[in-house]
Amino acid sequence: EVQLVESGGGLVQPGGSLRLSCAASGFTVSSNYMSWVRQAPGKGLEWVSVIYSGGSTYYADSVKGRFTISRDNSKNTLYLQMNSLRAEDTAVYYCAREGGIVGANPWGQGTLVTVSS
Amino acid sequence: DIQMTQSPSSLSASVGDRVTITCRASQSISSYLNWYQQKPGKAPKLLIYAASSLQSGVPSRFSGSGSGTDFTLTISSLQPEDFATYYCQQSYSTVFTFGPGTKVDIK
Repeated sequence: EVQLVESGGGLVQPGGSLRLSCAASGFTVSSNYMSWVRQAPGKGLEWVSVIYSGGSTYYADSVKGRFTISRDNSKNTLYLQMNSLRAEDTAVYYCAREGGIVGANPWGQGTLVTVSS
Repeated sequence: DIQMTQSPSSLSASVGDRVTITCRASQSISSYLNWYQQKPGKAPKLLIYAASSLQSGVPSRFSGSGSGTDFTLTISSLQPEDFATYYCQQSYSTVFTFGPGTKVDIK
């Protein structure tokens, strides 16, 4: 079964750091595009970052320079390192296998990140 | 970055109604347009990809059309399980922006 499971969310103070993980099963992370998408409480979806199978990475302007997407091929896991966190980064973070023109599928269940003092 | 808009932002409809949601891109994105359905507390679900291709397992009452900058999602006969929020997303550029969403609720 193709599945994604996120972990690593929690409460962090402004200016702090957190690393999210997304463990994949049923497919190989390194052979696919993988994305992170977030959703602030009561708000819409916001695309955050993508890593291509070749290793290229891209970011939304709102997180550029603060967040880093990466993967560990041996663990078949995607990561999002989040530094210099702000209150506006509070959201549920989803990972997804990104298909580009064929869309993102599947998605993980999401992990909540709360940035607050 | 490519900006996506959707209209309406919300609508009220009855079971059996035909529902149409529009998505517009700030520049041409060819057919690189996907539609997602999201229910409260759940992850988004892919409905339509490449503007008009139905994702496997999605009921045929869902359809998509358009190319370039203007796109449409149509639900031919609204069912109780279709009450949700719908998002379009462009995958043309390296920054895959979403539209703001359209909430479909019960009239």
